[in-house]
Amino acid sequence: QQQVKQSPQSLIVQKGGISIINCAYENTAFDYFPWYQQFPGKGPALLIAIRPDVSEKKEGRFTISFNKSAKQFSLHIMDSQPGDSATYFCAAMEYGNKLVFGAGTILRVKS
Amino acid sequence: GAGVSQSPRYKVAKRGQDVALRCDPISGHVSLFWYQQALGQGPEFLTYFQNEAQLDKSGLPSDRFFAERPEGSVSTLKIQRTQQEDSAVYLCASSLAPSAGGSFGYTFGSGTRLTVV
Repeated sequence: QQQVKQSPQSLIVQKGGISIINCAYENTAFDYFPWYQQFPGKGPALLIAIRPDVSEKKEGRFTISFNKSAKQFSLHIMDSQPGDSATYFCAAMEYGNKLVFGAGTILRVKS
Repeated sequence: GAGVSQSPRYKVAKRGQDVALRCDPISGHVSLFWYQQALGQGPEFLTYFQNEAQLDKSGLPSDRFFAERPEGSVSTLKIQRTQQEDSAVYLCASSLAPSAGGSFGYTFGSGTRLTVV
């Protein structure tokens, strides 16, 4: 049972463009929604996170948009750079501990 | 250390062999988590410790998997009688807070890549 569905599987964006990754969830008990960035051979690193009482959160070039009624959230990367090329995971957490991850999006930013 | 340290980085095991994977969390971090990441997939939860207490082991795939954190710091994930389907990257994460949401989040280690041949 895939509790968090992520799309697209892969994404190619030109340098300076906007990268958009989408996620949808089923469990309305989820109350914390982080995005992680993972480079090859490394563990996931927290990028940005949001709680469902907020519709948008921006940190630098990264923005999360959250639609509670639709049970969807997305990551926007503005002014995408080649160094942003990585795998991105959305995730969700019910109060407590364990994260449920999406399947990941491989982002490639072409210079 | 500054981050979560896992060892070994790579492990090749023959099918049926027992393996032990080590995690050194960030000093003072209360919560410790193990995740399994299959190739091309997102991490999947295995188990969770708060200090030395294992509070959730619902993600352990079989009774061949066992985790411990006897003194509330270093943790070991043991897999007995390894099978090919156990091949994956095993990630450890730690968090300062008893529950890992909110502003604390997780810090992941780089993982141990286990290959069962």
